[in-house]
Amino acid sequence: QSVLTQPPSVSGAPGQRVTISCTGSSSNIGAGFDVHWYQQLPGTAPKLLIYNNFNRPSGVPDRFSGSKSGTSASLAIIGLQAEDEADYYCQSYDSSLNGLVFGGGTKLTVL
Amino acid sequence: QLQLQESGPGPAKPSETLSLTCTVSGDSISNNNYYWGWIRQPPGKGLEWIGNAYYTGRTFYNPSLKSRVTISVDTSKNQFSLRLNSVTAADTAVYYCTGQTRCYTCGMSVWGQGTTVTVSS
Repeated sequence: QSVLTQPPSVSGAPGQRVTISCTGSSSNIGAGFDVHWYQQLPGTAPKLLIYNNFNRPSGVPDRFSGSKSGTSASLAIIGLQAEDEADYYCQSYDSSLNGLVFGGGTKLTVL
Repeated sequence: QLQLQESGPGPAKPSETLSLTCTVSGDSISNNNYYWGWIRQPPGKGLEWIGNAYYTGRTFYNPSLKSRVTISVDTSKNQFSLRLNSVTAADTAVYYCTGQTRCYTCGMSVWGQGTTVTVSS
């Protein structure tokens, strides 16, 4: 059971928009700690996709965007492409656990 | 460009100590911008934070692993290491070394390619 809750899977057709939610609590996202998002393509290491809630590292397409409100955060992908098929993880800090926590991951399938 | 590469002795037996090293290239491990860390991923499962270390020796550990984990930094070799004691089959995973910019709660901007560790008798 992950501290941050993500849907196990989402799907969308090429060109569509999908969102992945990350639900936390008052000891992590709700306490104001930043949320980061990672993309893990099959058989590869995770890659930082969004940091500090909504910032994109250099090289990440602007099709990817992050947002945060209350005890939740979201990752949105517009103009879905086949190459976006991957696992996506959210991550934050939890003050009750005194450590970094991840969501369980969401598998994105491009139909 | 900062790059990380994990290395280790391979499989481990139950009750033994798992030891992994991460070699940093492209910058000094003493660069005060980075916190160095370890993440693991059991087969078919999600990511788990193990811990972080700063080049000064300050460390941060996952409470659930703290009693068995040591992360250390060797500035002379530009490497940092993970030791996990008393391993069991539940410690079988791909282990990644990571680098976080400015703070250990910041995003993990650099990742190694990962190394698979299997714990089996």
